Amino acid sequence: EVQLVESGGGLVQPGGSLRLSCAASGFTFSNYWMTWVRRAPGKGLEWVANIKEDGSEKYYVDSVKGRFTISRDNAKNSLYLQMNSLRAEDTAVYYCARALYNSGAYWGQGTLVTVSS
Amino acid sequence: QSVLTQPPSVSAAPGQKVTISCSGSSSNIGNNYVSWYQQLPGTAPKLLIYDNNKRPSGIPDRFSGSKSGTSATLGITGLQTGDEADYYCVTWDDSVSAGVFGGGTKLAVL
Repeated sequence: EVQLVESGGGLVQPGGSLRLSCAASGFTFSNYWMTWVRRAPGKGLEWVANIKEDGSEKYYVDSVKGRFTISRDNAKNSLYLQMNSLRAEDTAVYYCARALYNSGAYWGQGTLVTVSS
Repeated sequence: QSVLTQPPSVSAAPGQKVTISCSGSSSNIGNNYVSWYQQLPGTAPKLLIYDNNKRPSGIPDRFSGSKSGTSATLGITGLQTGDEADYYCVTWDDSVSAGVFGGGTKLAVL
């Protein structure tokens, strides 16, 4: 059974850092592009970043460039999102997703990040 | 302000049909495949349509997708109360080298 389980969310002060993790199981993790997507309270889905199967390509939405870093460890079947210089507007549920655009798409249940003093 | 424009809300009666539009530009919809997601309250999004008009296994044929130029459309027939959800289009945007979602459309089945 395919599973994606996010962790690492929580309450952090503005300017702080968090590292989100996404543990994958039930499929060959190294065969898939992986994506982070977020949904802020009262807002719609926002694409955040994605990473190629071997980690050689990474892309980010402009609002997180220079602050967030996506990475993966195929040996550990894990995806990460290092979030620095966090702002109130980064408050959201963060989802990791496999193969966002095709029939192999699968999402985790999300982890809540709250940026507040 | 989303790069892809969707109507904020649509509504129709049970059993009826509804369409949700997604308007973009040549750098996103015009040059890439469109996917559609359904998000029920409190749950993770679920893929309904990929590659403009294909349904993953398990998605009923009440759901359909189409694309013409820089716009895409999701159609839902035989509306059920269980279809009440938020619907999103998503694609890749070549000009910003990033994925882009529509702003989302809330469907009410009255």
